[in-house]
Amino acid sequence: AQSVTQLDSHVSVSEGTPVLLRCNYSSSYSPSLFWYVQHPNKGLQLLLKYTSAATLVKGINGFEAEFKKSETSFHLTKPSAHMSDAAEYFCVVRDQTGANNLFFGTGTRLTVIP
Amino acid sequence: GAGVSQSPSNKVTEKGKDVELRCDPISGHTALYWYRQSLGQGLEFLIYFQGNSAPDKSGLPSDRFSAERTGGSVSTLTIQRTQQEDSAVYLCASRPKGSYNEQFFGPGTRLTVL
Repeated sequence: AQSVTQLDSHVSVSEGTPVLLRCNYSSSYSPSLFWYVQHPNKGLQLLLKYTSAATLVKGINGFEAEFKKSETSFHLTKPSAHMSDAAEYFCVVRDQTGANNLFFGTGTRLTVIP
Repeated sequence: GAGVSQSPSNKVTEKGKDVELRCDPISGHTALYWYRQSLGQGLEFLIYFQGNSAPDKSGLPSDRFSAERTGGSVSTLTIQRTQQEDSAVYLCASRPKGSYNEQFFGPGTRLTVL
C-alpha cells in the first residue's frame, strides 16, 4: 500500500526566505512521487515528479524536491519565497497497481508574509 | 491547447436531490479519474476509466455514486439522493495512454448540499 504524510498543515514564511514543506511516504514499491500546487480557485498543477531517475528533482517556479530513501522523505524546498507562492501544496504518491490513481497527502497551506 | 474542463463550476442543491457533474478530458487522453476533495482534506480517489475497460469503482463511497464515460471521452458523475456530507469539490483528471506519471486536473466542481 502507498501513502504520504505531510507533516505540517500550515507553513508561514517571510518573502525572500527559504521554503521547506515536509513529506514522508510509505510504499511497498519504488515509489513515484509528486508535488502538486493548488492556488485559490484554480486547478491542481504539477510542480515536479520523481520517477526513480535523479534523486534531486527540479520543478517549475524554482521549486526542488529530494528523494531520500533512507528517510522515506520527499521534502519540497525553494531558496526564496515569493508572494505568488502562497497556495496549498500536496505531496502525492502514485498507486503502481491497478488504476494508477494518486494518493494525496492532506496538504500544506503556505502563507508568504510580505 | 485546451485542458480538462468541468461543469458546472459551482452547484448548490437540496438534500435528497440528484446531481450530475460533467468532465471533458483532454482530447486523446484515454484515462479519466474522478476525485473528491473535502474541506481540510486531501483528494480522495473515486473512480477510474481506461479506454473501453470496465471502470475501477473501488473508491466510490456508496451506491448513491455512479459514473459513466460515453464514447471514451466525456464523463458524468452522478450523485443520487445527495446528503450534506457529499459537499465537497469534485475534481476530474485525465492522462494520455501509456503515460503514468502525470494526471491533468480540471478546475473542479464545488458541490454544496443544503
